[in-house]
Amino acid sequence: QKEVEQDPGPLSVPEGAIVSLNCTYSNSAFQYFMWYRQYSRKGPELLMYTYSSGNKEDGRFTAQVDKSSKYISLFIRDSQPSDSATYLCAMMTYNNNDMRFGAGTRLTVKP
Amino acid sequence: DAGVIQSPRHEVTEMGQEVTLRCKPISGHDYLFWYRQTMMRGLELLIYFNNNVPIDDSGMPEDRFSAKMPNASFSTLKIQPSEPRDSAVYFCASSSGEVLRAFFGQGTRLTVV
Repeated sequence: QKEVEQDPGPLSVPEGAIVSLNCTYSNSAFQYFMWYRQYSRKGPELLMYTYSSGNKEDGRFTAQVDKSSKYISLFIRDSQPSDSATYLCAMMTYNNNDMRFGAGTRLTVKP
Repeated sequence: DAGVIQSPRHEVTEMGQEVTLRCKPISGHDYLFWYRQTMMRGLELLIYFNNNVPIDDSGMPEDRFSAKMPNASFSTLKIQPSEPRDSAVYFCASSSGEVLRAFFGQGTRLTVV
């Protein structure tokens, strides 16, 4: 079993839809939970991160962490064609610089 | 700032050849990371440096891989000899303090034939 599991998709939605992206993990020591966006032939860029459990909102993006279920989610409201990218979840323990990434979910938002 | 700069963007080489990938981090950043991305294994940390000193190289797959950071503005990742299974996109990233805020370069797409 991989430490971080993420459905690679692909996921295709119409413009304006709500998108839900998810990851599960097995290491209960993870404390930081990140979401990265990676456009084709580019490096990943940090979207948002959460420390420990709870929700965090940034514009159209909401990140949720449920440590009891070892499950994290990223919601995108009012999705736009410009949101078309691969979304990677990542996690790490406290005081350790080794981030563990999910496989990435490829999202396409159709106009 | 131009961001993290990697060169070359693409590299095609024959099995057995030496390959050197280069990275210029963002000025002022004290952490530098090398990652490898493949379809099979996703994004994996190979090695990282803090203030030019290698801190954790446990992700380096074999002795064929080596990395150096001779100064704060330059790092190399060398593969010698290269093998087809080394084909991947190699990313360099740098940060000031928190690794999760690291900025990634555009990557070097390596193909070993």
